[in-house]
Amino acid sequence: AQSVTQLGSHVSVSEGALVLLRCNYSSSVPPYLFWYVQYPNQGLQLLLKYTTGATLVKGINGFEAEFKKSETSFHLTKPSAHMSDAAEYFCAVMLNSGYSTLTFGKGTMLLVSP
Amino acid sequence: GAGVSQSPSNKVTEKGKDVELRCDPISGHTALYWYRQSLGQGLEFLIYFQGNSAPDKSGLPSDRFSAERTGGSVSTLTIQRTQQEDSAVYLCASSLAKASSGNTIYFGEGSWLTVV
Repeated sequence: AQSVTQLGSHVSVSEGALVLLRCNYSSSVPPYLFWYVQYPNQGLQLLLKYTTGATLVKGINGFEAEFKKSETSFHLTKPSAHMSDAAEYFCAVMLNSGYSTLTFGKGTMLLVSP
Repeated sequence: GAGVSQSPSNKVTEKGKDVELRCDPISGHTALYWYRQSLGQGLEFLIYFQGNSAPDKSGLPSDRFSAERTGGSVSTLTIQRTQQEDSAVYLCASSLAKASSGNTIYFGEGSWLTVV
């Protein structure tokens, strides 16, 4: 079984400031980890994913995340927030074996102020 | 089409009526998923189809919910005798082969269901 915890249902930053969205997971086997973004009234778009290999993963729109096995974390960061980054962000986990599906966190709404 | 296509995009129905939601996955994708997104519940897994294997129905909330996938492509999610708590966005997704092999899961725009 697997689960995901996202700390903070809302995160507010100023434009140009660092974005840090936290995600911790639990998994019985080595997981695959994902971040998805959802803009208002739209579906989910993949930002980045970790499957194997390099633990620092770069995604679209300047976002990156680092898989830290010892901390069971996969936090999402962006050095400088832009107004267009305002959206809801979902962390998700999938087992890397068998027929597995995505288990999502509750989501974090990112608010960006001028 | 280039992406996962869902219809209708919006549906308002009366309590007690049946509804059907359709999903057309990305061409060639053998895996298809249904999720439900509602306020306070986040994203809930409903059902998963993988090729010709028996679907994983473990997420369906009640026997009023069912889904089928014809010819390994288009899928229909049916909700019978709708209740107000069924109001949510129903998201369909697909992936190339088994997602646990690292394949990306792509989501559609969702079907917004309102039960009045």
